[in-house]
Amino acid sequence: EPEVTQTPSHQVTQMGQEVILRCVPISNHLYFYWYRQILGQKVEFLVSFYNNEISEKSEIFDDQFSVERPDGSNFTLKIRSTKLEDSAMYFCASGFSEETQYFGPGTRLLVL
Amino acid sequence: GENVEQHPSTLSVQEGDSAVIKCTYSDSASNYFPWYKQELGKGPQLIIDIRSNVGEKKDQRIAVTLNKTAKHFSLHITETQPEDSAVYFCAVPNTNAGKSTFGDGTTLTVKP
Repeated sequence: EPEVTQTPSHQVTQMGQEVILRCVPISNHLYFYWYRQILGQKVEFLVSFYNNEISEKSEIFDDQFSVERPDGSNFTLKIRSTKLEDSAMYFCASGFSEETQYFGPGTRLLVL
Repeated sequence: GENVEQHPSTLSVQEGDSAVIKCTYSDSASNYFPWYKQELGKGPQLIIDIRSNVGEKKDQRIAVTLNKTAKHFSLHITETQPEDSAVYFCAVPNTNAGKSTFGDGTTLTVKP
């Protein structure tokens, strides 16, 4: 069964550094998302992406964040200058419609 | 924006008993309601969903019921097993943009 994959599984970085989190969505999906989950808290929406542009973004998704679909298979989240509070699990999700979303295993980001 | 409330926050049952988790939402235009199971260190996995044109959907030991008038939907797990122990999240997608608002999660513990 096809699934969303994410790399790396864990990332440790210094405050102020740039990180790129990578996702390979399910191949025939058209809608792509990033969510984050701070330890012990609920899943929070960051951004949705469709037709090569951002559909919606949350207040969390400020100018430090960007997304890109550089080719037909990858979907990336870049954090330009990481802050301590960016430490969280980051989940990529994809769907063939605006409703059903399939989540990847996540990248655990730790900012020191 | 959408407001989603999930209860209870924790639930402990004996193996074989039933478990019920409830979510209420605020946007009456919502018409798709998924439930996710998240095991430790993994991403949320879609386990069952329901659309507003039906009141109940069942898949083996799990079922979801929807009351659109009252704006709530519930997850029912029967004959619980230890492997059902996880955090369960309801979500309400914003069908205009695909953004999903998640509930706070319910930690279910099934005692053998």
